[in-house]
Parts: sequence; structure tokens; C-alpha cells
Amino acid sequence: EAAVTQSPRNKVTVTGGNVTLSCRQTNSHNYMYWYRQDTGHGLRLIHYSYGAGNLQIGDVPDGYKATRTTQEDFFLLLELASPSQTSLYFCASSGGTGQLYFGEGSKLTVL
Amino acid sequence: GEQVEQRPPHLSVREGDSAFIICTYTDSATAYFYWYKQEPGAGLQLLMSVFSNVDRKEEQGLTVLLNKKDKRLSLNLTAAHPGDSAVYFCAVSGGSNYKLTFGKGTLLTVTP
Repeated sequence: EAAVTQSPRNKVTVTGGNVTLSCRQTNSHNYMYWYRQDTGHGLRLIHYSYGAGNLQIGDVPDGYKATRTTQEDFFLLLELASPSQTSLYFCASSGGTGQLYFGEGSKLTVL
Repeated sequence: GEQVEQRPPHLSVREGDSAFIICTYTDSATAYFYWYKQEPGAGLQLLMSVFSNVDRKEEQGLTVLLNKKDKRLSLNLTAAHPGDSAVYFCAVSGGSNYKLTFGKGTLLTVTP
């Protein structure tokens, strides 16, 4: 069974705070993704990567950085968090087939 | 870029009834089509995938129809039961097949 693990599952920070969301996959997949999910917007792609050291810009990248340190690990960084970044964040991995395996989500609240 | 419209945003049906969800997309080069299901508090899970050379696919009470001329993708759940209550997303991708564009989702509620 494919496995994608996200941490933390819940995070509360203040405006201007620094947040790192972590994702680890044990699927040996090349592709990893960060999405945000908001009511009325569905899932929107922030960043993705096709291998260690690679980073591709998604559809809503402003205010986010990401880093893929290994094939397994993909991090999403919010260096100056804003209330508009309050959201449910999902990490996913895939082998390039279009079948994405999702983590359980990280709920971020920016006060 | 690709735009995907999904409707309805909310759908309520009684147990045993059918539930029908439709998506339209804009890019005629779109080649891969997916339906995902998200249960409460969980990530999305793939329900079905369809490639552009298929017009109809049925699996376990689910029917996916693809109309490439009208750029329309639909999902029909026959004989829905309460366990089908979830958010359903369509997703599409072009030839690369690694970057998906999702619809906004449909919250399906099946009442006993």
C-alpha cells in the first residue's frame, strides 16, 4: 500500500510566522506535490517536484517555497505566513501515471 | 491553461438512487481523466481513470462517460448508499500526465 505521511497534522501560527510542512512518501515515486484545498476552490497546485533537488512551480506559488531534499521528502515553507494561507494542505506522490497518492492533510491556521 | 468546471457543488440523494456529476474542460489536448473520492478527514483516493480512447467505463457501480467532442466527463453512481457520501473530484491532464487540474468538487450526501 502506498504511503504518504504529512506532519504536523494541525498547526496554528501568527501572521508573519515561519511554518514548515513536511511530507514523506515510501512509494519510491519520482513525483511529489503540494496542494491547498479551500472551500469554493477545490485543490490548487502550489509546487511539485520530479526528483531530489528539483522544484517546479505550480498554479498558486506566491508566498510559498518548497524543497525536495531526497526522493522521499518534500517540504513546504511559509516564511511570512499570512491569514490568506489558512488552509488544508495536501501532499501527494505519483509515479507519473496520474494516479496520485495523498497524505491525510495538514490543517494550517494563521491568526 | 486548462480550466475544469464541475457541477453540482452539492448533491443529495436517497439510498438506492443514482448520483450524477459532470465536469467540463477546455483543452482539447487533454488526454487523461480521473475521478477521485475524498472521505471526511482524509486525503483523496483514486476511483477511476479513463484515457482519451475510451468513451465509457464501468466498475463496481460507477460509470464514467467521456465526450471528447463536447469536452465533458461525467460520473454516475448507481444505487448509491450512505457509504458513498463524500466529496468527489474530477481531474484531467494533458500528454504529460503528471500535472493534474482538479475540479472544485461535489459534496455528495446519501441519506437512508
